[in-house]
Amino acid sequence: DQQVKQNSPSLSVQEGRISILNCDYTNSMFDYFLWYKKYPAEGPTFLISISSIKDKNEDGRFTVFLNKSAKHLSLHIVPSQPGDSAVYFCAASPNTGNQFYFGTGTSLTVIP
Amino acid sequence: DGGITQSPKYLFRKEGQNVTLSCEQNLNHDAMYWYRQDPGQGLRLIYYSQIVNDFQKGDIAEGYSVSREKKESFPLTVTSAQKNPTAFYLCASTDQNLYNEQFFGPGTRLTVL
Repeated sequence: DQQVKQNSPSLSVQEGRISILNCDYTNSMFDYFLWYKKYPAEGPTFLISISSIKDKNEDGRFTVFLNKSAKHLSLHIVPSQPGDSAVYFCAASPNTGNQFYFGTGTSLTVIP
Repeated sequence: DGGITQSPKYLFRKEGQNVTLSCEQNLNHDAMYWYRQDPGQGLRLIYYSQIVNDFQKGDIAEGYSVSREKKESFPLTVTSAQKNPTAFYLCASTDQNLYNEQFFGPGTRLTVL
């Protein structure tokens, strides 16, 4: 059973506009959430994270929002750049240990 | 340079043969993980180890085995019992403290002919 879901397999955005990637989770024990970026045939690289005590974390062009009551988080990229084109994975970790649960990924294409 | 290395990048094996994928890290991380990625799917956990000489099964451990004899190394053996072994395999590690991200290796693409 998929505990972390990314319901949009793909997203296309014009360069300069905002990209919004969404993620939903089912396990209320999750208290740490991460976004990873992945290029084909490479390992994922860490992008940004948020703990459950916050509802927003910002790092440059990347902002993650967490809505605990809705069990939903989103990644905003603004402005989007062609180099942002990649697959983005959402991941969650419970407060009980070091396991990470990944979504199925959203492929972002930023059109120049 | 600190990081995780996986070798080889591409691996081909005949059906019925066991194959071992290498994963080494010099980040002094206690926990190490093996994931499998298939097209259109997320990363699925095969095995993980939080300390030397100890490891736990993940969601899809059947047909795989691991060892953790050294902190730096967490090799994965894909046995002939694994029904669909062709996939992209990713190794990761993390510090044991909470709220730390996982660091990933570059991955090994295994193709069974």
